[in-house]
Amino acid sequence: DAGVIQSPRHEVTEMGQEVTLRCKPISGHDYLFWYRQTMMRGLELLIYFNNNVPIDDSGMPEDRFSAKMPNASFSTLKIQPSEPRDSAVYFCASSLRGDRTGELFFGEGSRLTVL
Amino acid sequence: AQKITQTQPGMFVQEKEAVTLDCTYDTSDPSYGLFWYKQPSSGEMIFLIYQGSYDQQNATEGRYSLNFQKARKSANLVISASQLGDSAMYFCAMRDLNTGFQKLVFGTGTRLLVSP
Repeated sequence: DAGVIQSPRHEVTEMGQEVTLRCKPISGHDYLFWYRQTMMRGLELLIYFNNNVPIDDSGMPEDRFSAKMPNASFSTLKIQPSEPRDSAVYFCASSLRGDRTGELFFGEGSRLTVL
Repeated sequence: AQKITQTQPGMFVQEKEAVTLDCTYDTSDPSYGLFWYKQPSSGEMIFLIYQGSYDQQNATEGRYSLNFQKARKSANLVISASQLGDSAMYFCAMRDLNTGFQKLVFGTGTRLLVSP
């Protein structure tokens, strides 16, 4: 089975530009998570969805960040306008409620550099 | 409040030796889950092992075992017979009712270096 698929793997953009990160979760998983990893703050949860509905967006840094999940197989994380401090690796992960461990399956991440 | 604490920024071990990576957690929920993930230099997050708060026995997965001490709120990862490929960042994580039972809260990680 295919794992969590993220695109792009790498993105370099200039400050002020819009950035859209994409994620396809594992088929059948009902939870989707967006995490951000930086050296300073480690791995922090930005937002997560259950059955396409946002459950907790308390980790979203500010209004410049938005996330959507229009259907069970696709989610986007958008940053508009981007700033240099948004440079990080953004991970998407999915999981299945009812699975014994509830482990998160991570994508390979999208490395964002904002100049 | 910090829910997951990993006090070792870095650890060194020689190949074929065992190593213990420390993790302590903080929760008031009786039901919770503890996880360890490995992040090699390539960047992906790899699930290693899981321990449920009600599990009677310590979890084991191949060379990985979890030393679960509930009263001390510790969930240390033990890697036996270290290999060069074990060099990576290791993250401890927890889920409980307070954090929304599905999402994981991660520690700051421990970088393990295995030398020949």
